[in-house]
Amino acid sequence: DTEVTQTPKHLVMGMTNKKSLKCEQHMGHRAMYWYKQKAKKPPELMFVYSYEKLSINESVPSRFSPECPNSSLLNLHLHALQPEDSALYLCASSLGLQGVREKLFFGSGTQLSVL
Amino acid sequence: QQQVKQSPQSLIVQKGGISIINCAYENTAFDYFPWYQQFPGKGPALLIAIRPDVSEKKEGRFTISFNKSAKQFSLHIMDSQPGDSATYFCAASNGGGSQGNLIFGKGTKLSVKP
Repeated sequence: DTEVTQTPKHLVMGMTNKKSLKCEQHMGHRAMYWYKQKAKKPPELMFVYSYEKLSINESVPSRFSPECPNSSLLNLHLHALQPEDSALYLCASSLGLQGVREKLFFGSGTQLSVL
Repeated sequence: QQQVKQSPQSLIVQKGGISIINCAYENTAFDYFPWYQQFPGKGPALLIAIRPDVSEKKEGRFTISFNKSAKQFSLHIMDSQPGDSATYFCAASNGGGSQGNLIFGKGTKLSVKP
């Protein structure tokens, strides 16, 4: 299994809603990532989890809250989002070995629309 | 200094032609240069990558050329096919154990006409 699976594929939410994005991989990878991608732009790194611990937070607003329950799962909890948060949210994973240039495996993303 | 500049923004090539996408960087600490291919509605997928101790890497129809002194690298797609139509991102990172610190270029939308 060489896939990163993201659910849901599409999500529409109001600014007062609470929702969660889910990501799962069964490749034994120990590093997992959340990226945000606006239309016609490159992915922007949001968070990195290494061995289930948050290792990088790229100054993301607190309305985005990541969680890594175990080595295979990564969640992104959303609360009180703004319309400008509408984007494709990508999960990725990699082996997680220090000092190794690693291949990132991306999921297909969740297309989020905030109304 | 952290930027990776990518050009052109869009590219139209006839089937069978050569597609060339260029990237330039400033940070000499970068030591890993991947190219990602992204189809609409999908996440990016690693296409090919190179390290600065090699001037060229070829995988099938895809070749990376790397010029360390000029701090430039490029992707060449030989015998371009309509199925190659996608957005291509170059990227760079300075590994050293820091995961996820890929700096992406702004992307090139490639259209291959039949």
